Amino acid sequence: KNEVEQSPQNLTAQEGEFITINCSYSVGISALHWLQQHPGGGIVSLFMLSSGKKKHGRLIATINIQEKHSSLHITASHPRDSAVYICAVSPRGTDKLIFGTGTRLQVFP
Amino acid sequence: NAGVMQNPRHLVRRRGQEARLRCSPMKGHSHVYWYRQLPEEGLKFMVYLQKENIIDESGMPKERFSAEFPKEGPSILRIQQVVRGDSAAYFCASSLTTATDTQYFGPGTRLTVL
Repeated sequence: KNEVEQSPQNLTAQEGEFITINCSYSVGISALHWLQQHPGGGIVSLFMLSSGKKKHGRLIATINIQEKHSSLHITASHPRDSAVYICAVSPRGTDKLIFGTGTRLQVFP
Repeated sequence: NAGVMQNPRHLVRRRGQEARLRCSPMKGHSHVYWYRQLPEEGLKFMVYLQKENIIDESGMPKERFSAEFPKEGPSILRIQQVVRGDSAAYFCASSLTTATDTQYFGPGTRLTVL
């Protein structure tokens, strides 16, 4: 079993829909990261969380440390949101990231 | 402030040759991380370096792979005697402090071994 699990693996949506991507992890962490990988391969850091909730534009990330779970929400989704969304954790006491396998999102007009 | 730079963007090598991948972190960042993404697979940690020091190389294959981050110049990931299984995208990231800080990723180097 992977230390970081994401669901769903693939997600399709119509423009305007509310999107939720889930991430569960099995190790103690010092931080959780949400990343976006574009079709061309480039990776952008969206959020870094250690507790609570963060919002940036139409993106919201939440984390529940007790339940070892995080969610990434996209409100009013748009075709340009189509990408792979990756959850990664920094295990406590280390400086490396462990990655989930990603969620491939396609938003259709 | 330029982002993380990687070069080359694409590298083709024949089996048995050496591959050198370069990464220049963001200005002011002294923490560098290398990750590998095999075709159709997720990202995997390889190595974490600070200037002149390897901090964590637990993700590096035991043979043929090495990394450095000298006092002057870019970080280098070196793969000796490449094999077809080394074909992958290699990403570098940098951060101001440790992995609990936001990491900024370079565009990646896509290595193809013929």
